[in-house]
Amino acid sequence: QIQMLQSGPEVKRPGASVKVSCKTSGYTFTSYGISWVRQAPGQGLEWVGWISTYNGKTNSAQRLQNRVTLTTDTSTSTAYMELRSLRSDDTALYFCARTSVLIDPSALLTWGPGTVVTVSS
Amino acid sequence: SYELTQPPSVSVSPGQTATITCSGDNLGDKFTYWYQQRPGQSPVLVIYEDSKRPSGIPGRFSGSSSGTTATLTISGSQTMDEADYYCQAWHNNRAFFGGGTKLTLL
Repeated sequence: QIQMLQSGPEVKRPGASVKVSCKTSGYTFTSYGISWVRQAPGQGLEWVGWISTYNGKTNSAQRLQNRVTLTTDTSTSTAYMELRSLRSDDTALYFCARTSVLIDPSALLTWGPGTVVTVSS
Repeated sequence: SYELTQPPSVSVSPGQTATITCSGDNLGDKFTYWYQQRPGQSPVLVIYEDSKRPSGIPGRFSGSSSGTTATLTISGSQTMDEADYYCQAWHNNRAFFGGGTKLTLL
């Protein structure tokens, strides 16, 4: 069955960087994109970005685009999200999600369990 | 940027129909997606492309969209449907979520 396994919780200082991984299995990795979504404690969902596993094309939220890098390793069917210059308001649960692609990204089909990132001095 | 507006909360009695709306500029020209998030769990896609149900989602979930408003309808609501519901749309290849609606079964 389809699995999205995310890396473990992270605690970072303000100004540091974090890299979260999402290892997938149970489907053809390059046939679907990967989206990243975060959820601050007690808050709603906020889209972080999306990457095409087929050609590496990315797009990210305007307010994060200067600090976020999305990559994939097709040899291990793993996606990565790196967020730099961390601030306290980056504290959130970060989800990866298998995303259908019909020319452009479409539905977020299958979500990972989330990775807690805590930014604190 | 693109804004999607949902009511913060909706209440319904078990067995009744719950309706959750999502409004955005020209939303009817885009596809709307709906996600259910139960407490402590990851979101689950319940409606895609306005009105289609993924396999495994009960038939009581339905969706529609017209003009500036998309609607998620849960017919014959059950206690297990108590959750937060988020609408989502793509605008200029960026995804935007509504603020979420907490559905409470009375």
